[in-house]
Amino acid sequence: SQQGEEDPQALSIQEGENATMNCSYKTSINNLQWYRQNSGRGLVHLILIRSNEREKHSGRLRVTLDTSKKSSSLLITASRAADTASYFCATVDSGTYKYIFGTGTRLKVLA
Amino acid sequence: NAGVTQTPKFQVLKTGQSMTLQCAQDMNHNSMYWYRQDPGMGLRLIYYSASEGTTDKGEVPNGYNVSRLNKREFSLRLESAAPSQTSVYFCASSATLLALGETQYFGPGTRLLVL
Repeated sequence: SQQGEEDPQALSIQEGENATMNCSYKTSINNLQWYRQNSGRGLVHLILIRSNEREKHSGRLRVTLDTSKKSSSLLITASRAADTASYFCATVDSGTYKYIFGTGTRLKVLA
Repeated sequence: NAGVTQTPKFQVLKTGQSMTLQCAQDMNHNSMYWYRQDPGMGLRLIYYSASEGTTDKGEVPNGYNVSRLNKREFSLRLESAAPSQTSVYFCASSATLLALGETQYFGPGTRLLVL
């Protein structure tokens, strides 16, 4: 399979805590994106990091990228119940330009 | 501005029946995609259309056909449905192909159950 892997598969935290999820991928990439999927809904784009960037911030989100380890992490600070969702990383294979999604992390934020 | 719309939202088929899933976008995007999502898995690309008039296979094209009817619409057809095609199907679009960091916009999904 070309799919990436998210770690952990599931995460449960208290409101106000930080949530960290990791993504590993297999191919050389142009960029990596993180998406959120609320239960029963489509995916919503959160943030993009290019292969020449190491860290990026957007509001309460912080993404890092380590191309030498083929891994990325998504940090959500001061989590809220509304952050409860599944989070997916997606990479663009620099050879085929195909979009490859990871298997996702299910985050549950308890109020 | 509706973004990406999909019809139907839910469908039950018997093995061997055929159906077409419809997708439309109103963002004037060139590229459109069909994915399937199975429990515990990420999305897998079935087919995509880089621009009007072109279609290409993705990771899991077997059992499916697509038509890029015009710039707005991209349909997915199951000619003879099988239980293995029970899944949630998502359509997406992007301004151009994804190589340079384009963002995909997703529809709400179609839940398909094949008995």
